[in-house]
Amino acid sequence: DAGVTQSPTHLIKTRGQQVTLRCSPKSGHDTVSWYQQALGQGPQFIFQYYEEEERQRGNFPDRFSGHQFPNYSSELNVNALLLGDSALYLCASSTGSGSITDTQYFGPGTRLTVL
Amino acid sequence: DAKTTQPPSMDCAEGRAANLPCNHSTISGNEYVYWYRQIHSQGPQYIIHGLKNNETNEMASLIITEDRKSSTLILPHATLRDTAVYYCIVRSGTSYGKLTFGQGTILTVHP
Repeated sequence: DAGVTQSPTHLIKTRGQQVTLRCSPKSGHDTVSWYQQALGQGPQFIFQYYEEEERQRGNFPDRFSGHQFPNYSSELNVNALLLGDSALYLCASSTGSGSITDTQYFGPGTRLTVL
Repeated sequence: DAKTTQPPSMDCAEGRAANLPCNHSTISGNEYVYWYRQIHSQGPQYIIHGLKNNETNEMASLIITEDRKSSTLILPHATLRDTAVYYCIVRSGTSYGKLTFGQGTILTVHP
């Protein structure tokens, strides 16, 4: 049973470019959440997708957008990259019930470096 | 979500129990305590969660005080592979998927 997978593993971009990160949820999960983790900090919630719609969003600018596909996989898009967008981007999947005990399981992350 | 306070770092000898404290004095009655850990450069790993009763699974035990204002994660026999950042998170029913991570505790297990 595959866990949460993310691609690519590492990515290098330059300021002003756009980037797309991908996530496949754990088998049986239909909800995907994205987090950004800057060096030395805890992960910060970006947004969550359920039934192909953004259900909840954290305090991130509109440059950060996402999409969820019918097979529950998801993409995170970041436009007009800034140096400060350099971080580990984490995807987490869950069952989507919204229950307080709906546990999230994380993927290995994508390391984005913006030069 | 209630704010949590954890010590920045702790040490533990291999084979001994590691007891990681977490303070969540503003926790509400319907909020759960979750623990995750993150080994260097990997994604966070779910460990355990609880509401008010003590919980145990194959990884750890979670002890929540009767007033629910603090909790302790116990790794009964720490190994070098348990060296990681441990995050204590309080999660409410209104937060859907949002997990609010703090700085966590860096646990270093020594030979």
